[in-house]
Amino acid sequence: GIQVEQSPPDLILQEGANSTLRCNFSDSVNNLQWFHQNPWGQLINLFYIPSGTKQNGRLSATTVATERYSLLYISSSQTTDSGVYFCAFTSGTYKYIFGTGTRLKVLA
Amino acid sequence: GAVVSQHPSRVICKSGTSVKIECRSLDFQATTMFWYRQFPKQSLMLMATSNEGSKATYEQGVEKDKFLINHASLTLSTLTVTSAHPEDSSFYICSAPPPPGLAEHNEQFFGPGTRLTVL
Repeated sequence: GIQVEQSPPDLILQEGANSTLRCNFSDSVNNLQWFHQNPWGQLINLFYIPSGTKQNGRLSATTVATERYSLLYISSSQTTDSGVYFCAFTSGTYKYIFGTGTRLKVLA
Repeated sequence: GAVVSQHPSRVICKSGTSVKIECRSLDFQATTMFWYRQFPKQSLMLMATSNEGSKATYEQGVEKDKFLINHASLTLSTLTVTSAHPEDSSFYICSAPPPPGLAEHNEQFFGPGTRLTVL
């Protein structure tokens, strides 16, 4: 099956710092998305980004489908950004395959 | 917006007992729901697809006799972990696809998860 690797696996930032999270996939994927899983476990949909670039406040994402990667940028990080960030794609109708995740901790 | 709820949010049980987890779509109907499992510090893995009115379909390696899924109505799917053991301790998350027009890109709605601890 398609492998989805995320880097870095763990990241610690000081509040206010910027970061880039990367998602590499081994083959073409459909419906690539980025999720934030907060410390209580809730998954929050950040971006639907099969290609191109999108921005939402301090977050932005870019997917280069031809090169099989996607990036999530977090600027001016806040402690509430802590949690785990997953990229995921759908296999068949609605079945999500999740990446390995990046665990982010933002220190005050 | 559409909401998916799960109950209970956390449960602790003794080894050998069975535990039922409910997943509800609160303001929409879902003929299909999905169950995921997440071990500590790991990613989410799809366990099974729950189909209203028919049998669930399980992913490779998931024991259907251990993880019983019942989708008895258009708003409720249940996952029963039978004869639970400590290795079944995990975070279980359900999801449901949105009804037409409710999500811009058909992204799913995820429940808040159920944390199961088997002693």
